[in-house]
Amino acid sequence: LAKTTQPISMDSYEGQEVNITCSHNNIATNDYITWYQQFPSQGPRFIIQGYKTKVTNEVASLFIPADRKSSTLSLPRVSLSDTAVYYCLVAPDTGRRALTFGSGTRLQVQP
Amino acid sequence: GAGVSQSPSNKVTEKGKDVELRCDPISGHTALYWYRQRLGQGLEFLIYFQGNSAPDKSGLPSDRFSAERTGESVSTLTIQRTQQEDSAVYLCASSFWDSPLHFGNGTRLTVT
Repeated sequence: LAKTTQPISMDSYEGQEVNITCSHNNIATNDYITWYQQFPSQGPRFIIQGYKTKVTNEVASLFIPADRKSSTLSLPRVSLSDTAVYYCLVAPDTGRRALTFGSGTRLQVQP
Repeated sequence: GAGVSQSPSNKVTEKGKDVELRCDPISGHTALYWYRQRLGQGLEFLIYFQGNSAPDKSGLPSDRFSAERTGESVSTLTIQRTQQEDSAVYLCASSFWDSPLHFGNGTRLTVT
């Protein structure tokens, strides 16, 4: 499985756009990129998944450049409730076995 | 519908005792994962079940840890002779084949 690298922490203010980048230099052809969000005392929850270019849903956007060696999770106009840990996961779409999460990025949103 | 359910939500045990943690996956989900999360740390993979295939036990930290799953139903994670370093939140996740994971809220284990 591709190893991922994310910033340990980020700070932002309410109303700002937040971009969290994940590096995955050894991503394989059949790997997808998935982001999860974890609040304190809860299990992680799925945010968004993509393979290439751009994916957008009601919560976030995911930008993946052509070489796919990195990806950026974009959270528009964050609020205090977006304070959480965000994990980037790179894994194949089939034949998956162990899934190893990275250390995640702790996002703190200030008023 | 119901999500992934884990029980108990909290467990306090004495060092040396055995504990059993339970995970009820989402109905129809073929894959089931166990993770350990120490305070302030990331997710540490423990074991993976997929349908009737042999489980991937590569993440189990010692032979004190074991897990079972019957078919595509409930899973139990057993820790024998618990140690203080076993204190953590144990998270279970399920998915339909290789779709995104759905996590439970975990069992917080405290070994005194």
